[in-house]
Amino acid sequence: GDSVTQMEGPVTLSEEAFLTINCTYTATGYPSLFWYVQYPGEGLQLLLKATKADDKGSNKGFEATYRKETTSFHLEKGSVQVSDSAVYFCALTGATNKLIFGTGTLLAVQP
Amino acid sequence: DGGITQSPKYLFRKEGQNVTLSCEQNLNHDAMYWYRQDPGQGLRLIYYSQIVNDFQKGDIAEGYSVSREKKESFPLTVTSAQKNPTAFYLCASSMGQGGYNEQFFGPGTRLTVL
Repeated sequence: GDSVTQMEGPVTLSEEAFLTINCTYTATGYPSLFWYVQYPGEGLQLLLKATKADDKGSNKGFEATYRKETTSFHLEKGSVQVSDSAVYFCALTGATNKLIFGTGTLLAVQP
Repeated sequence: DGGITQSPKYLFRKEGQNVTLSCEQNLNHDAMYWYRQDPGQGLRLIYYSQIVNDFQKGDIAEGYSVSREKKESFPLTVTSAQKNPTAFYLCASSMGQGGYNEQFFGPGTRLTVL
């Protein structure tokens, strides 16, 4: 079945460092891909999405490109801030139309 | 402001008791969802509903029940049959159930069974 694999955390960075969180997927057909963010004690918020190959989703300085050839949707940010500390989830909707999540990656940014 | 509310934020129950978690949305969304979040396991789908008076089991429905009598409300009951109910429960809604429809999440309810 469809699945999402993302790098395990925690990822610890200093402020202004470059961030990459890897995400790869397995799906039949042409899934839509998402990154959600969960701040401590809160629900999830959609960070960005891409619905077809080569689309780039972007929001709040974060970017991810839908790469069909490598089945990847890696999250990147050029300069992280302490306020970016959160858990990041990669997710997809495929043939079943259900949202399937990766296990989440905890990002801790130190001042 | 439009959004999804879940209550209560924290809930404690004794083993063997049923408990109902509330989820209300004023986004006029047709579809609603319940997820369970455990450390290191991401989110898993419990139940979902595409329309009033209709709902389907998700991947881990055993020990849970839902109702959808109103468009705005989708309460989840955690029954005594659920073997490990302590978890963080998240409710979500979307315009429809298609893959392009963004799901909006509530703030969650943390249930602890003593």
